[in-house]
Amino acid sequence: AQKVTQAQTEISVVEKEDVTLDCVYETRDTTYYLFWYKQPPSGELVFLIRRNSFDEQNEISGRYSWNFQKSTSSFNFTITASQVVDSAVYFCALKGTGTASKLTFGTGTRLQVTL
Amino acid sequence: GAGVSQSPSNKVTEKGKDVELRCDPISGHTALYWYRQSLGQGLEFLIYFQGNSAPDKSGLPSDRFSAERTGGSVSTLTIQRTQQEDSAVYLCASSLNGGYQPQHFGDGTRLSIL
Repeated sequence: AQKVTQAQTEISVVEKEDVTLDCVYETRDTTYYLFWYKQPPSGELVFLIRRNSFDEQNEISGRYSWNFQKSTSSFNFTITASQVVDSAVYFCALKGTGTASKLTFGTGTRLQVTL
Repeated sequence: GAGVSQSPSNKVTEKGKDVELRCDPISGHTALYWYRQSLGQGLEFLIYFQGNSAPDKSGLPSDRFSAERTGGSVSTLTIQRTQQEDSAVYLCASSLNGGYQPQHFGDGTRLSIL
């Protein structure tokens, strides 16, 4: 069975603060992919990043960075110098191997960035 | 179209009625997925299509739920004899060919059962 845990239900920060969203996963598959999605108030889920289980190199994209550590089964997401437009619900998701092609989502972390 | 298109955006219906939700995936995407998002259950997988076939229907909650896809494109999710617990946002996603390609989501259909 696969499971994704996002322990932080809601985070509030003031603009320009850095914030890290935690994601811990469980899977028996040796090959798997991890994803982060953003869901702004408008409702559409927006794809942010995909990471495969063989690539533990951390990634930075503008103000976003991701830290993947297989040893702790974690795939954390950091926003540097947060902005009001970053306010959204962020979902971590896992896709394993096998015929099932579905994403298993965490419960999401609601990020509120205020002025 | 440029993205995944879902209709209607909102649907309000009475308990016991049947509803049909439509999804038009990104052109050229062979894989199509339906998910349901509700307050108590988070994001739940319902069904996965590859072309017109559905190799994974494991998430459909009951036999009142069915889905089909025609021409390898548009998909319809049908809920018969709706119940109040069916109230949720129904999300459709598509990806290039399934596998590990990112899934791209539509805006969803908000279904409210009175």
